[in-house]
Amino acid sequence: GENVEQHPSTLSVQEGDSAVIKCTYSDSASNYFPWYKQELGKGPQLIIDIRSNVGEKKDQRIAVTLNKTAKHFSLHITETQPEDSAVYFCAASIIQGAQKLVFGQGTRLTINP
Amino acid sequence: GAVVSQHPSWVICKSGTSVKIECRSLDFQATTMFWYRQFPKQSLMLMATSNEGSKATYEQGVEKDKFLINHASLTLSTLTVTSAHPEDSSFYICSAQTSPGIQYFGAGTRLSVL
Repeated sequence: GENVEQHPSTLSVQEGDSAVIKCTYSDSASNYFPWYKQELGKGPQLIIDIRSNVGEKKDQRIAVTLNKTAKHFSLHITETQPEDSAVYFCAASIIQGAQKLVFGQGTRLTINP
Repeated sequence: GAVVSQHPSWVICKSGTSVKIECRSLDFQATTMFWYRQFPKQSLMLMATSNEGSKATYEQGVEKDKFLINHASLTLSTLTVTSAHPEDSSFYICSAQTSPGIQYFGAGTRLSVL
């Protein structure tokens, strides 16, 4: 089955700097890769996703890149702000049908003012 | 994005009682919903896949008689923790899948069993 590894487990950056979180997956059949942001005591919020037919997707300060050959994908947050502090999870699945998401271990991102 | 409502957000119960958690998709129909459990500082652990009108599919190691799932309509799935014990205390989160296969999550339910 699919296995998703996420690094780093914790990340601390200065406000205004960029943050990068990386994930690798094992199943070459996976074709959908969402990223979720989870604030303390809340459910995960979908912030961006990418499908395997594109290599990069951007939404304002957030971008995701995908390398299908190497089976890894990354989340990039630019111009970080204190409200970006949260736990971020990557996930992988096959989008057709009721397919399960396999989550990474999570990254606790702290933005220092 | 799509809205998923989960209720209650927090529940305290006595050991041996049952607790029901509701998950509703508010602005879309979801033939498939998922139930997760999350321990502090850990990732989400899938418990079961809930399909409207059929029996839920449980992940290995999850007791189906302990965690009863009902998905009676396209907008509502319920998780009942039966005969709850302190070790069942956790954060339970549901998600609902839209037609392209994207999952949107509820806000979670914190269960504390005394």
